[in-house]
Amino acid sequence: KAGVTQTPRYLIKTRGQQVTLSCSPISGHRSVSWYQQTPGQGLQFLFEYFSETQRNKGNFPGRFSGRQFSNSRSEMNVSTLELGDSALYLCASSLAEGKTYEQYFGPGTRLTVT
Amino acid sequence: GNSVTQMEGPVTLSEEAFLTINCTYTATGYPSLFWYVQYPGEGLQLLLKATKADDKGSNKGFEATYRKETTSFHLEKGSVQVSDSAVYFCALSDRAGGTSYGKLTFGQGTILTVHP
Repeated sequence: KAGVTQTPRYLIKTRGQQVTLSCSPISGHRSVSWYQQTPGQGLQFLFEYFSETQRNKGNFPGRFSGRQFSNSRSEMNVSTLELGDSALYLCASSLAEGKTYEQYFGPGTRLTVT
Repeated sequence: GNSVTQMEGPVTLSEEAFLTINCTYTATGYPSLFWYVQYPGEGLQLLLKATKADDKGSNKGFEATYRKETTSFHLEKGSVQVSDSAVYFCALSDRAGGTSYGKLTFGQGTILTVHP
C-alpha cells in the first residue's frame, strides 16, 4: 500500500499571503490529523477530520483551517501568514477503528514564511 | 489536560551500548501509548505501541512496557546501532475528556546519536 503523501514538500511564502497544503491518506483510512512541528514548540495538534467532519481542534487561531473530501483526502489552509507559521506541517492518517487508533505520518510540508 | 514528558536530551552513545529513554505521562482517561521515530528530513514513523497496562510493545529490538502505576512508558534497546541515530518521540492518545483518539499528545523529543 502507498503511504501518506503530502504536497508540496516545500513552500516559500511571504508574510500576509495564504497557503494550502494537501494530504492523501493511506487507502482505506478515514481519519486525517494535522500537526505543526517547530523547534520551539515541538509537535502540536492542529485538527482531525473524519468522514468530512472536523472532530477535534487544537489551540490554533482561526487563520488555520482545514477540510476533508469524500475520498478522505484533506487540505489545510493558513491565511494571512505570519513569520511564526514557518514550520514542518505533518499529516497523519488512521483507520479510526478500535482502541489503538494508530496514526501513520506523511513526510511533511516544509513551509517557510519570509 | 494530557501531557507527556521525556527525559532531557540529547543522548550520545557508542555502538552496542544499552539505550533507555524515559517517558512519563499524565492523562485524564486510559490512554494508548506510542513511540515514534523521526529520521532527518522525514516524517514520523510508528516504532511501537501499547494499549493497556502491562502491555509490552516491541519492534526492531526496541521495547517499552506500559506501566500504569508509575504512568511511564520507557523506551529500551539492548544494543544500539549507528542507524538508530534519530529523534524519538513518546506520545499518547486518549478518548477521555472530550478528546478523540485522533489527537496525539507528544513529548518534546529526544535526539539520539550513536557513534561507531
